Amino acid sequence: EAGVAQSPRYKIIEKRQSVAFWCNPISGHATLYWYQQILGQGPKLLIQFQNNGVVDDSQLPKDRFSAERLKGVDSTLKIQPAKLEDSAVYLCASSARGEQFFGPGTRLTVL
Amino acid sequence: AQSVTQPDIHITVSEGASLELRCNYSYGATPYLFWYVQSPGQGLQLLLKYFSGDTLVQGIKGFEAEFKRSQSSFNLRKPSVHWSDAAEYFCAVGEASGNTPLVFGKGTRLSVIA
Repeated sequence: EAGVAQSPRYKIIEKRQSVAFWCNPISGHATLYWYQQILGQGPKLLIQFQNNGVVDDSQLPKDRFSAERLKGVDSTLKIQPAKLEDSAVYLCASSARGEQFFGPGTRLTVL
Repeated sequence: AQSVTQPDIHITVSEGASLELRCNYSYGATPYLFWYVQSPGQGLQLLLKYFSGDTLVQGIKGFEAEFKRSQSSFNLRKPSVHWSDAAEYFCAVGEASGNTPLVFGKGTRLSVIA
């Protein structure tokens, strides 16, 4: 069974630029999460999807972050414009039967 | 509000020595508890999980954890540490209903010395 795929693995941008991350969850997993992991901290939820609907985006900075999950499969997370404090690893996870499976993450550096 | 506390930021142990990583949680409902491991540049790998039943759970790579409801703890243990165990370890809690976001602790970094 293929795992959660994410791309790109690394991204370096300058502040005020935009960036997008892509996630392909495990086949058949209806629930998808995006987490932000700042260096030295545990992951924190940004947004949760159930199929193509948003379940929880209360912690998503909506003035600059957006996410979508078209057709209930792949998802993209966008930041526009990026700030220095957005430097982090962005983890995508999908879940089934209460267990979450994580992708390798995208490491974003904002200069 | 749900929270997870990992009191030890960094632990160093000798190869072959035993290991215990501490985790305390605050959760209003019946929790699902998890331990994940993260190697540098890698994603999170599930070591073990507790949903219900036997409070001592076995995981991969020789790890085990014990759920103690009275102490709100879910400590991770390994009887003999290998150099390859050096990594960051995260404790997490979620709802027993499943399919809800996990709340993570800040992690404990494990270093292994010869």
